[in-house]
Amino acid sequence: NAGVTQTPKFQVLKTGQSMTLQCAQDMNHNSMYWYRQDPGMGLRLIYYSASEGTTDKGEVPNGYNVSRLNKREFSLRLESAAPSQTSVYFCASSSGGEGSPLHFGNGTRLTVT
Amino acid sequence: GEDVEQSLFLSVREGDSSVINCTYTDSSSTYLYWYKQEPGAGLQLLTYIFSNMDMKQDQRLTVLLNKKDKHLSLRIADTQTGDSAIYFCAESKDNQGGKLIFGQGTELSVKP
Repeated sequence: NAGVTQTPKFQVLKTGQSMTLQCAQDMNHNSMYWYRQDPGMGLRLIYYSASEGTTDKGEVPNGYNVSRLNKREFSLRLESAAPSQTSVYFCASSSGGEGSPLHFGNGTRLTVT
Repeated sequence: GEDVEQSLFLSVREGDSSVINCTYTDSSSTYLYWYKQEPGAGLQLLTYIFSNMDMKQDQRLTVLLNKKDKHLSLRIADTQTGDSAIYFCAESKDNQGGKLIFGQGTELSVKP
């Protein structure tokens, strides 16, 4: 049982380049999330999808777009990468609703030069 | 405002108890969580407490919640070297289980 799978694990981009971070879950969860983790700041929510077909902004959405491709997959796109987007990105899923725990992937470490 | 605060570091000896503290500001939070992150990995849920409880025990873990002071703590009894990790507290927002506000994380170092 893979849980939440993120690809790639590492990526280096130049300023202005674009890329898509992929995430897939095999737990039949309704809700999926993208967080970023920066030193000394904990995790901050970028975007989430409460259910297939819906997406909403989180705390720090600027510079990102998302697609809920189907129930399993939720991708995060950087259209024009900036050094401020250097971070570790985590995808997570949950069955939804209060008290449902988040299940995290192992993260994508992104460096923008 | 929304803010969850934790101290950044804690060092204990193997076999001692560890207590990791957290303060939060939003009194409307319904669930409060503790997550553990090991190096190079994602976060793993350790335990959570509903806001109408003041204590929850789960094997070596004890969570205490003081709603009046908006203070949450995680006690790990008989701390082992395998407990060395970063521990995050988080509060839920609205009724969306996954929309969490995380603290900065406390790095627990367990010395043999």
